[in-house]
Amino acid sequence: DTGVSQNPRHKITKRGQNVTFRCDPISEHNRLYWYRQTLGQGPEFLTYFQNEAQLEKSRLLSDRFSAERPKGSFSTLEIQRTEQGDSAMYLCASSLASGGYYNEQFFGPGTRLTVL
Amino acid sequence: GQQLNQSPQSMFIQEGEDVSMNCTSSSIFNTWLWYKQDPGEGPVLLIALYKAGELTSNGRLTAQFGITRKDSFLNISASIPSDVGIYFCAGCGSQGNLIFGKGTKLSVKP
Repeated sequence: DTGVSQNPRHKITKRGQNVTFRCDPISEHNRLYWYRQTLGQGPEFLTYFQNEAQLEKSRLLSDRFSAERPKGSFSTLEIQRTEQGDSAMYLCASSLASGGYYNEQFFGPGTRLTVL
Repeated sequence: GQQLNQSPQSMFIQEGEDVSMNCTSSSIFNTWLWYKQDPGEGPVLLIALYKAGELTSNGRLTAQFGITRKDSFLNISASIPSDVGIYFCAGCGSQGNLIFGKGTKLSVKP
């Protein structure tokens, strides 16, 4: 296991279609985060999981977005009825939470979504 | 909401020059981080700061956490071509989520 992987790396879709992205974290990591990054901006937090439980969602995560981590390993992020404003890089990060306030997050390469 | 302001937004470097960038926040953070992002890749952690006033080095990189926990700077000494990229500061939120600045883009002088 060499790091966090994300698939697909690129996705082009038409407005109104549904898309799903997958993130495979570092195998022993119990926390998994999703971020969105638009051009010229830093990543913005969307949601995170501790094992299979989704513990926090940002206000950026509209009801068209849903994330799952069914077995506490890989995670999926689905966007329904995509809009042009959803075009962005979607980044996944994982960490091993050990009770401390901060645990280093390792980022995947991201999935770049383009909505036409 | 919590915001991090980075400056400069962009800068050009010549190989061998020293580089300095900083970041200020409207809120106090207990942990402050500096990341670098190359095109088409996710951010990679460079330095983590945990204590107010802390000065930490990682090779040619030096970062300091401000006394008020609302600011930090990152210095790169003797820059090399592979230093080109976007540098982000980030504070750690209450859920362990990261709050990023908008980045400082480092490019090579033409």
